[in-house]
Amino acid sequence: DAGITQSPRHKVTETGTPVTLRCHQTENHRYMYWYRQDPGHGLRLIHYSYGVKDTDKGEVSDGYSVSRSKTEDFLLTLESATSSQTSVYFCAITMDRNYGYTFGSGTRLTVV
Amino acid sequence: GENVGLHLPTLSVQEGDNSIINCAYSNSASDYFIWYKQESGKGPQFIIDIRSNMDKRQGQRVTVLLNKTVKHLSLQIAATQPGDSAVYFCAATISGAGSYQLTFGKGTKLSVIP
Repeated sequence: DAGITQSPRHKVTETGTPVTLRCHQTENHRYMYWYRQDPGHGLRLIHYSYGVKDTDKGEVSDGYSVSRSKTEDFLLTLESATSSQTSVYFCAITMDRNYGYTFGSGTRLTVV
Repeated sequence: GENVGLHLPTLSVQEGDNSIINCAYSNSASDYFIWYKQESGKGPQFIIDIRSNMDKRQGQRVTVLLNKTVKHLSLQIAATQPGDSAVYFCAATISGAGSYQLTFGKGTKLSVIP
């Protein structure tokens, strides 16, 4: 979707290194989310944001942190990447609670 | 919380036939439901949604049915085409809850046989 972009699209990193994934939206939507998708687990919520500097944890938040200093950007940081964090990461946005999410194209992260 | 699950992880249908993908949810307070389609290498894409004050909603070649009594919803795809091959997810939420989050099922992979 043109209104939401994720970067990078692919990344290979070494265990123990910090990694930051970026989600950028041009829709001025209030809510932003980070999910990870793994075989057998589906989409699992990592963190979400309901406004600038307003964030909260999801079900799999351990090892991840987020920041949202502007409406348009939501950053996901892996402080010290581990192999268990190898996954496909999706960002999603929505205007408010009466609408579904719009997803980005995903970031495939491999931790070696 | 909410637990959303799909009845079948895979489904194969002949091109031109109708497809039915089923989903169950656990929380009777859930009032907003969405179906997503995910093609290989892409992010999930919104297909159709339905709110709990409705039993049925139709889109282009797709219909969602909601049975609140048994906490079940289904996605029907008419005249299935090869381009319909994808993984389909249902999602549910309580739209009036404090934080707005969708809970996703694990997905059904639909394969269309030419």
